[in-house]
Amino acid sequence: DSGVTQTPKHLITATGQRVTLRCSPRSGDLSVYWYQQSLDQGLQFLIQYYNGEERAKGNILERFSAQQFPDLHSELNLSSLELGDSALYFCASSPHLGTSGSWGADTQYFGPGTRLTVL
Amino acid sequence: TQLLEQSPQFLSIQEGENLTVYCNSSSVFSSLQWYRQEPGEGPVLLVTVVTGGEVKKLKRLTFQFGDARKDSSLHITAAQPGDTGLYLCAGAHRGSNYKLTFGKGTLLTVNP
Repeated sequence: DSGVTQTPKHLITATGQRVTLRCSPRSGDLSVYWYQQSLDQGLQFLIQYYNGEERAKGNILERFSAQQFPDLHSELNLSSLELGDSALYFCASSPHLGTSGSWGADTQYFGPGTRLTVL
Repeated sequence: TQLLEQSPQFLSIQEGENLTVYCNSSSVFSSLQWYRQEPGEGPVLLVTVVTGGEVKKLKRLTFQFGDARKDSSLHITAAQPGDTGLYLCAGAHRGSNYKLTFGKGTLLTVNP
């Protein structure tokens, strides 16, 4: 158990709909990262928040948005869903900003994921 | 986009065999991490390598970072069914701060 929780575990919805995925980081961790994992693309970084502020963006679509709340939990909102959005969505957390310095990248602790199926 | 290529994509072996999986890139990374992911779970960090030529051992697992910091390998000795899983490498660039670039992984199956 990494200490990172994600809800729901499974989500089935239809094209065009909007869903919200929730993540609670490990106690004391300030950074939250969102990733999308699919068979063809592998694990892709979407976005990172640190202490409530957006810090880095990856391959996140404009239909997707995220936020981190004062209690440090985070939500990933996916709208106008398409079939191709079906994937596993992971949240990870780390204690700090995650800067890659001479000590290497900070350890990210991954949650169990949310499996999204768009029909 | 800096890509990490992992090979082989799939590997099925018998218990007790040795194996090596590879992670290659044309880019230099400041650090590289290996993760193992089991079905229904998120990736779990196994090791971080930082220095070119560095070798780290974790029980039966040996990780090596290439001298040029562009590639890495993971060697498992006397594989066990519990080693079954998806092995992912992820690279980070100095100054890129927060983004990890992941390979697509090697799916290892160790048969009893």
